[in-house]
Amino acid sequence: DVVMTQTPPSLSVAIGQSVSISCKSSQSLVYSDGKTYLHWLLQSPGRSPKRLIYQVSNLGSGVPDRFSGTGSQKDFTLKISRVEAEDLGVYYCAQTTHFPYTFGAGTKLELK
Amino acid sequence: EVQLQQSGAELGKPGTSVKLSCKVSGYNIRNTYMHWVNQRPGKGLEWIGRIDPANGNTIYAEKFKSKATLTADTSSNTAYMQLSQLKSDDTAIYFCAMPLYGSPFDYWGQGVMVTVSS
Repeated sequence: DVVMTQTPPSLSVAIGQSVSISCKSSQSLVYSDGKTYLHWLLQSPGRSPKRLIYQVSNLGSGVPDRFSGTGSQKDFTLKISRVEAEDLGVYYCAQTTHFPYTFGAGTKLELK
Repeated sequence: EVQLQQSGAELGKPGTSVKLSCKVSGYNIRNTYMHWVNQRPGKGLEWIGRIDPANGNTIYAEKFKSKATLTADTSSNTAYMQLSQLKSDDTAIYFCAMPLYGSPFDYWGQGVMVTVSS
């Protein structure tokens, strides 16, 4: 199975601060069609996960452009510029290039 | 608007089975896959498998092959997951999810808590 390693496990931030979360995969996530199926999700407390970014860098509908995703092959980053209170929760990366689909262990974003 | 509505919380005894449902509105499930994901208490997300409702084809994560059975009823636009031979380790929140734009996880149900206890 593809292992997704997320760092850091937690982040303590002040509102307005910018943060980055890293996600590294144990195998390349480039599929045979040339696309890279690496996605980012946010699970706010007590809620279902919500997909923020799909295929590395594409923002979902309604997702603020404070969020951005970059990376390739095995190394990916989610950046949040100017954190707001609604951004708090656990962020997961997920790969859907290889079966079984796998998630990172999560990065908990908390208020400082 | 696409919505995934899951059935209510379940309490199951060890060794029994439960069947969870996920009713989709706003989109025909024949045109997509339905995925299931679990989350054990205080833990992260784990993909269980997916079903193609148009033909019933399924793919499971290895560890769930003898645990979960995915089915779908296109007439009611509903996906199902049966969990068999329940053990305490199956206690978790179970989510259904479906793709629409660019990932399998574009839309999520609200989750259903399954508690296994004698």
